[in-house]
Amino acid sequence: DSGVTQTPKHLITATGQRVTLRCSPRSGDLSVYWYQQSLDQGLQFLIQYYNGEERAKGNILERFSAQQFPDLHSELNLSSLELGDSALYFCASSPGSLDSDLLSTFGSGTRLTVV
Amino acid sequence: AQSVAQPEDQVNVAEGNPLTVKCTYSVSGNPYLFWYVQYPNRGLQFLLKYITGDNLVKGSYGFEAEFNKSQTSFHLKKPSALVSDSALYFCAVRDMDNYGQNFVFGPGTRLSVLP
Repeated sequence: DSGVTQTPKHLITATGQRVTLRCSPRSGDLSVYWYQQSLDQGLQFLIQYYNGEERAKGNILERFSAQQFPDLHSELNLSSLELGDSALYFCASSPGSLDSDLLSTFGSGTRLTVV
Repeated sequence: AQSVAQPEDQVNVAEGNPLTVKCTYSVSGNPYLFWYVQYPNRGLQFLLKYITGDNLVKGSYGFEAEFNKSQTSFHLKKPSALVSDSALYFCAVRDMDNYGQNFVFGPGTRLSVLP
């Protein structure tokens, strides 16, 4: 157990729908990152939050959004889902200071299947 | 922009033989390099990292990696492969352009260790 908890583990939904993925970071970590792993795009960084604030943005679609709550858990919202959004979505966390941010701990991921 | 290449999609090696998984990188500034491993239906697990110092880095499960600045490479090695090493291996660089917060991953190399 890495200490990063992601729920649900699996999610099947229809095109056009909206889903929310949840991530609880490792205890004490202030930064949360979201990554998407798909067959055609590989592992891509989506977005990072640090202590409730958005800190960095990667290849995140406008249909996707995220937030980090005061208790530091984060949610990734995916809307108007398309077949191509089917992927494994990982959350990672890190302590949040500049040097220790060099190492992140990953959760086991949420596998999203859009049908 | 930072980028990582893993020239081999698949590496096959017999159990007991040495293994090498190749990685080359392109970064601006000093590279912060990592190897992660992904077992089936699991998250990413940290193996080792290079920040500064000795070019030969030792990590988890008997793996090591050699940093070569002139060849911009960071190959993963293990003297004697185990069947249980079979997994997907990712080389990554810290994206220091994006406030240094996220990873840029290579496409991954699937390692199969044959009994």
